Amino acid sequence: GQQLNQSPQSMFIQEGEDVSMNCTSSNIFNTWLWYKQDPGEGPVLLIALYKAGELTSNGRLTAQFGITRKDSFLNISASIPSDVGIYFCAGQGPNIIQGAQKLVFGQGTRLTINP
Amino acid sequence: ETGVTQSPTHLIKTRGQQVTLRCSSQSGHNTVSWYQQALGQGPQFIFQYYREEENGRGNFPPRFSGLQFPNYSSELNVNALELDDSALYLCASSARRENSPLHFGNGTRLTVT
Repeated sequence: GQQLNQSPQSMFIQEGEDVSMNCTSSNIFNTWLWYKQDPGEGPVLLIALYKAGELTSNGRLTAQFGITRKDSFLNISASIPSDVGIYFCAGQGPNIIQGAQKLVFGQGTRLTINP
Repeated sequence: ETGVTQSPTHLIKTRGQQVTLRCSSQSGHNTVSWYQQALGQGPQFIFQYYREEENGRGNFPPRFSGLQFPNYSSELNVNALELDDSALYLCASSARRENSPLHFGNGTRLTVT
């Protein structure tokens, strides 16, 4: 099935370091979303981006919707142990008038933090 | 506000059997989507339901079917189970309007032996 190109696949960092991950696509999306998934749980929404060029923050998290509408990045500043998990980007295509609110996901970035 | 709830949490079935997974949407949400997440992969869109009708489908065979009920809850049915159907099945709900992101449940872990 269709997936976005998400990188890196995994990251091993020290507590307190900043983290950056990104997502690219050959298709244009109207919305970019970033989710975090912990073991045994479903994805939890972190940040939603609705306009090309939009830069949005949620606490220590910052994400941007690329100008071309084909990419997005997520930054985490001053990482803490509870940031451990798998981060997924997701693009949402046609608006609800044209079709389903289908999300296309990246393969995820697994974040591991050494205390 | 009640989030998305799914049942059961875990299920083991034998190849060839049929399975039904259930989902209650978040309060205020009228659209339900189902995703399949294989181990180590991102979720893959199966289909979406709105007003009790299928409204968009991903690349999944007809043996994957669903229902949505008047209270917006939903079922995912899979017939003739195959080993590759082993995965985490996620339900997500949203409001049918612009800029309404999907909120996911914790999923049902299906193992087919």
